[in-house]
Amino acid sequence: DADVTQTPRNRITKTGKRIMLECSQTKGHDRMYWYRQDPGLGLRLIYYSFDVKDINKGEISDGYSVSRQAQAKFSLSLESAIPNQTALYFCATSDPAPGLAADTQYFGPGTRLTVL
Amino acid sequence: KQEVTQIPAALSVPEGENLVLNCSFTDSAIYNLQWFRQDPGKGLTSLLLIQSSQREQTSGRLNASLDKSSGRSTLYIAASQPGDSATYLCQGAQKLVFGQGTRLTINP
Repeated sequence: DADVTQTPRNRITKTGKRIMLECSQTKGHDRMYWYRQDPGLGLRLIYYSFDVKDINKGEISDGYSVSRQAQAKFSLSLESAIPNQTALYFCATSDPAPGLAADTQYFGPGTRLTVL
Repeated sequence: KQEVTQIPAALSVPEGENLVLNCSFTDSAIYNLQWFRQDPGKGLTSLLLIQSSQREQTSGRLNASLDKSSGRSTLYIAASQPGDSATYLCQGAQKLVFGQGTRLTINP
């Protein structure tokens, strides 16, 4: 089973709809992240969370909100979807524990979201 | 704002060649740098992470170096194979900023 899972994998929705993307991990990591990927713009950070009680805005948080329900779950919501939020969304996790691999990021398979 | 740049955007080489991918960053306070590969339509796979106290990391045919003073990291791939074809991305972990990636094609 994958360590980082995202649901749904694909979603088509209409402008103005509320959408939630979910991320779950079995790696036991405290840190979780949401990114979006757009052709020509690369990957950009939306929100990140260093533990259950910690939420931080990333570079492009406008129009998005997140919820860290548990150590293993981090959800991304689009309150009122718009077409320019059409993108590939990735969740990632990391563990800051000391060591050569500290904070290595592990990515989920992505959710392809289309807003019509 | 930290910026991360990868040049070239695309690279095509014959199988068997050694090659170097480049990553430049503007913030010398970077505390570690990570290299990933991404296959078309897939997620990112971590290849190597270099901590700020290190100068290089090696894994198999891959070697990544970090020179904070010049703001550069390189990913060296030895004896390239068609299976190495993918997009390679670097990320400066201080601000979690990615470069745009280098799309690598290894021709049999």
